[in-house]
Amino acid sequence: KQEVTQIPAALSVPEGENLVLNCSFTDSAIYNLQWFRQDPGKGLTSLLLIQSSQREQTSGRLNASLDKSSGRSTLYIAASQPGDSATYLCAVSMDSSYKLIFGSGTRLLVRP
Amino acid sequence: SAVISQKPSRDICQRGTSLTIQCQVDSQVTMMFWYRQQPGQSLTLIATANQGSEATYESGFVIDKFPISRPNLTFSTLTVSNMSPEDSSIYLCSVASGQETQYFGPGTRLLVL
Repeated sequence: KQEVTQIPAALSVPEGENLVLNCSFTDSAIYNLQWFRQDPGKGLTSLLLIQSSQREQTSGRLNASLDKSSGRSTLYIAASQPGDSATYLCAVSMDSSYKLIFGSGTRLLVRP
Repeated sequence: SAVISQKPSRDICQRGTSLTIQCQVDSQVTMMFWYRQQPGQSLTLIATANQGSEATYESGFVIDKFPISRPNLTFSTLTVSNMSPEDSSIYLCSVASGQETQYFGPGTRLLVL
């Protein structure tokens, strides 16, 4: 059974710092991996989608990497801003069914 | 991208009662899902809402407790039946169509007393 773990559970950094969020999964036979952002009262927003054949994806200040063989993904946020404060969720899909298995999330606070 | 709305946004219910949550999408989508997020936990998939047929439930979830309807490609409902305090959660609808990125609704916050 696939299990997704995110470390750390919570992170507090000063504005402007670069940071890395970690995601690990037990079954490396994933179809794809997604990073989401969750803001209170606003549901989830998809940030980056990495196919199993890809190594990384970039969007603005965000870069997500995938090392499928070791069961790991990282989300790199450059020059963090207070508006980046949210919970970040990692989720994997095992096939083309779109079903997602979520990690427990990292709660990020960027202090002004 | 798809714009998803859910009703109600939140509710407080008495144990033993039922609540129906609506999910409306602004465009036709292939796949619709219902997830649950219990307090302090991550999201767990309840079921896939199938248009014109019975929903497909994940392990640990049954139709009698969480009946789901999907009459067309833009709308679905999830009912939480015979509620107990353990059902207090955020319930989220998500959709996917073609592209593999999923879009999520804002969620329905349910508190059962």
